[in-house]
Amino acid sequence: EPEVTQTPSHQVTQMGQEVILRCVPISNHLYFYWYRQILGQKVEFLVSFYNNEISEKSEIFDDQFSVERPDGSNFTLKIRSTKLEDSAMYFCASSPGQGWMGNTDTQYFGPGTRLTVL
Amino acid sequence: DQQVKQNSPSLSVQEGRISILNCDYTNSMFDYFLWYKKYPAEGPTFLISISSIKDKNEDGRFTVFLNKSAKHLSLHIVPSQPGDSAVYFCAASAGETSGSRLTFGEGTQLTVNP
Repeated sequence: EPEVTQTPSHQVTQMGQEVILRCVPISNHLYFYWYRQILGQKVEFLVSFYNNEISEKSEIFDDQFSVERPDGSNFTLKIRSTKLEDSAMYFCASSPGQGWMGNTDTQYFGPGTRLTVL
Repeated sequence: DQQVKQNSPSLSVQEGRISILNCDYTNSMFDYFLWYKKYPAEGPTFLISISSIKDKNEDGRFTVFLNKSAKHLSLHIVPSQPGDSAVYFCAASAGETSGSRLTFGEGTQLTVNP
């Protein structure tokens, strides 16, 4: 069964450094997402991406964050200058798009990247 | 953000019995609801969903009920199995359009005892 994959599984970085988290969405899915879960808190939406553009972003997704689809398979989240509070599990998700599933659209999640900022 | 709330942080049931997980929401614009299951060190796994035009959706041992007037949904698992032990998240989206953000509840840790 197709699945979303993410690399690395664990990333440790120093405060102020740039990190890139990578995701390979499910083939033929059209919408891509990033979420994060800080330890002990809810899963929070960061951004959604469609047709090489951001379609929606949350208030968390400030100028420190960017997303990119550099080729036909990868989807990346970049954090320019990491802060201690960026430490979290980051989940990538993808969905097929409305035309595929009718008037509902289900998001499928990857296993996550644990980001630790020291 | 309290738009989706799961008031029970944990639930323990015996194998073979019914598990009922509850979720409440406040945003009346939500019209698509999903349940995800999560094991430690893994991502959320999609279980079952329901559109606001329905009040029940069933898939094998899993049934989701939606009460729009009460802004409440529940997930029933019957019979419960030890392998069902995991954290269960309720999530909701508005607009039934692709690319819409999911808003998650806090999660309920289900433990099914043999």
